Amino acid sequence: VQLVESGGGLVKPGESLRLSCAVSGLSFYPAWMSWVRQAPGRGLEWVGLIKSKGGGGTTDLAAPVKGRFVISRDDSKNTLFLQMNSLKAEDTGVYYCAHYADYYGTMHSWGQGTPVTVSS
Amino acid sequence: QSALTQPPSASGSPGQSVTISCTGTNSDIGGYNYVSWYQQHPGKAPKLMIYEVSKRPSGVPDRFSGSKSGNTASLTVSGLQAEDEADYYCSSYAGSNNLVFGTGTTVTVL
Repeated sequence: VQLVESGGGLVKPGESLRLSCAVSGLSFYPAWMSWVRQAPGRGLEWVGLIKSKGGGGTTDLAAPVKGRFVISRDDSKNTLFLQMNSLKAEDTGVYYCAHYADYYGTMHSWGQGTPVTVSS
Repeated sequence: QSALTQPPSASGSPGQSVTISCTGTNSDIGGYNYVSWYQQHPGKAPKLMIYEVSKRPSGVPDRFSGSKSGNTASLTVSGLQAEDEADYYCSSYAGSNNLVFGTGTTVTVL
């Protein structure tokens, strides 16, 4: 199983950024996928998840990003996305994508992470 | 959803055991048997060490064990080895598809 994030970079407060996560080695269509972030020198923070299309394809987002971030997926390309809008300095960190091994947050497989810096 | 509470640090000599606690509430740890533990070395992605409170994924040494009592989960590392020096994070399902992580514990092998 391989998860490869991309799209991170330096943006100004209020700007947008779209992260991608290319997945291989697992059956992507039935997979529940998530994003987890880690601010510099800080702990892990769950950002949100997207269910499989068969599970409804719906998303759940953590309170700090609800209304600003959108998680989506392209099953034809085995790719997960995180659209981040109205970015704030506190959104700075490394963003990881991860595969849910069950419906309750067990994450066996992780990407290597992509860094996002929000600064003027 | 507040982060689960872990001690900032723990340490032990090679061969000794160290236990890390992870305290939550009835809405997360106390309400579900979906507690996981992750190991993270500097600059690396987290690695799953324990899931569903006490299960070990394939390839994780049996020196790592997990348990839960009430609103507190614990990770014990027995027979400490130098490569066990890392940050450890607990996580718990918190209902309605929400997940919460612990504050993290740095384990030092003396």
